[in-house]
This record gives sequence, C-alpha cells and structure tokens, in this order.
Amino acid sequence: AQSVTQLGSHVSVSEGALVLLRCNYSSSVPPYLFWYVQYPNQGLQLLLKYTSAATLVKGINGFEAEFKKSETSFHLTKPSAHMSDAAEYFCAVSRVGNEKLTFGTGTRLTIIP
Amino acid sequence: DTGVSQDPRHKITKRGQNVTFRCDPISEHNRLYWYRQTLGQGPEFLTYFQNEAQLEKSRLLSDRFSAERPKGSFSTLEIQRTEQGDSAMYLCASSELTTDTQYFGPGTRLTVL
Repeated sequence: AQSVTQLGSHVSVSEGALVLLRCNYSSSVPPYLFWYVQYPNQGLQLLLKYTSAATLVKGINGFEAEFKKSETSFHLTKPSAHMSDAAEYFCAVSRVGNEKLTFGTGTRLTIIP
Repeated sequence: DTGVSQDPRHKITKRGQNVTFRCDPISEHNRLYWYRQTLGQGPEFLTYFQNEAQLEKSRLLSDRFSAERPKGSFSTLEIQRTEQGDSAMYLCASSELTTDTQYFGPGTRLTVL
C-alpha cells in the first residue's frame, strides 16, 4: 500500500519568506508524486509532479520540489512567499501515473503580511 | 478546453433521501475518477472508469453508492439512503489514458441533515 505523511497541518510564513511544506511517502514500488493546491471552495490544481525523471521538479507559481529517495521525501518549497499563496496544499502518491491518487491530510499555508 | 464540471455545486438533503451527482470530464479524457473529501482531510479515492468500464472501487464505496459512466463521457454518482456521515465534498477528476495528470472539478458539497 502507498501512503503520504504531511508534517504540519498548519504553516505560517511571512510574506517574502521561504515556504517549506513537508511530505514523506511510503511506497513498495517507484512512486509518482504530486503536489496539488486547493483554494477555498475550489477543486484541486496541480502544482507539480515527479514521474521518475529529474529529481528536482519545477512547477507553477514559482514552486519546486525535490525527490529524495534516501529520505523518502518530496518537500515543496518556494523562495519567497506571496499573499496569493495562502491555500491548502496536498501531497499525493500513485503507483502508476494515471491510477488512483493517495493524498496526505493537507497543510494549510497562511501568509503573514 | 472548458475543464471538468460538476453539478450541482451544493446539495442539502435529509437523511434517508437519495442524491445523484453529475461529472462532465474534459473532452476526450478516457479516465474519470471520483474522490470524497471530508473536512480537514485529503481526498480519498472512491472509484474510477476507463471509458465506460469501472475498473476499481474502494472499500469506502458501500452498497449505498453506485457510479456509472454509460457512454464513456459524463459520469453520475448516486448515494441511496443518505446518512449524516456521507456529508462531504465529492470531487471528480479526469485524465487522458497516456498521461499522469488528473484534472479536478470544483466538487459537489453534500450536506445531510
């Protein structure tokens, strides 16, 4: 079975500061990993994905994530937080790219002006 | 590309009633997924279709739940004899057969009184 653990259900950072959202995965096979963002009363939007190519993945809105097999991690970062980044972020794993996704419990990001 | 659409966006019903939700995927997307998201949690997989074939069902999908995709285009999710525990956001996603990105709709929020 596959699973993801997101450390920190709530993260607050100041505007302009580094954003770091943590995700650790468990998978018996090489995983496909995803980060999605959810704004209030909206569906999920894909930020970025890792599909066994480059370990450093760049996504939309200045976000990036690094796949570290030795640490079973796929942490999401952004060098400088913007007020518009305030949202809920979900890490997800799948066994093959277009099968079901298994999501973490999410991290709510708050940006402090 | 108009995106994944879901109808209705909100549904309030009384315990014991039946409800039906509709999902229209992105045109030409072969795969369609249903997820359920409860407050404070990540989405949980319910079922998915490849064209009109239902390929996998989660154990979360009790006998009261049924999903169809009769012509391989839109899908419906029906819940019979609703219970208060069914209150959640029901999310639909679609993807092409050969890609690993699932595109999510805005969801249907169900409240069971």
